[in-house]
Amino acid sequence: AQSVTQLDSQVPVFEEAPVELRCNYSSSVSVYLFWYVQYPNQGLQLLLKYLSGSTLVESINGFEAEFNKSQTSFHLRKPSVHISDTAEYFCAVSGGATNKLIFGTGTLLAVQP
Amino acid sequence: DAGITQSPRYKITETGRQVTLMCHQTWSHSYMFWYRQDLGHGLRLIYYSAAADITDKGEVPDGYVVSRSKTENFPLTLESATRSQTSVYFCASRGGAGANVLTFGAGSRLTVL
Repeated sequence: AQSVTQLDSQVPVFEEAPVELRCNYSSSVSVYLFWYVQYPNQGLQLLLKYLSGSTLVESINGFEAEFNKSQTSFHLRKPSVHISDTAEYFCAVSGGATNKLIFGTGTLLAVQP
Repeated sequence: DAGITQSPRYKITETGRQVTLMCHQTWSHSYMFWYRQDLGHGLRLIYYSAAADITDKGEVPDGYVVSRSKTENFPLTLESATRSQTSVYFCASRGGAGANVLTFGAGSRLTVL
């Protein structure tokens, strides 16, 4: 069975500062990894994904995440955050025969001016 | 409208009543999912369906019933609502086994008094 751990429930950060949201996973099979973002009162949107190939994946709005198999991690980073990045971020893993998507508990990124 | 739609968006009901949350997608995606979102728990999978007439339990299925008579619809029924089922419910869909990205509906906020 797969599981995802997001240790930080909240990450406060000042605008234009760098940020890292941590994600660790557990799985006995090869996995696909995802980051989803949820803006206030909205559904979840895919931010980026790792399926195979290059271990560094990027989103269109400046986020990136690196798949590290030895550390079973998929941390999300952005070198300079904006107020508009304030949202809840969910790491998720899928794999195995059913490919069910299992989510972490989420990290609230609170960007302050 | 194209996409995945959930109804109702907001529902208040009383303990013991039956409630059905509707989910409709226009892509003919094979897989559909129901998640509930609760503070401190992230998103937890309730039920999923790989195709019409095929459903299976997720992490937290107790107290819920699903059906999938048509590919495009995946209703979730709470046969006798309890206060612990107060939550935000998200429906999601994706294509065949090789497709890994879930697309989510906007959510249904259910309050059980």
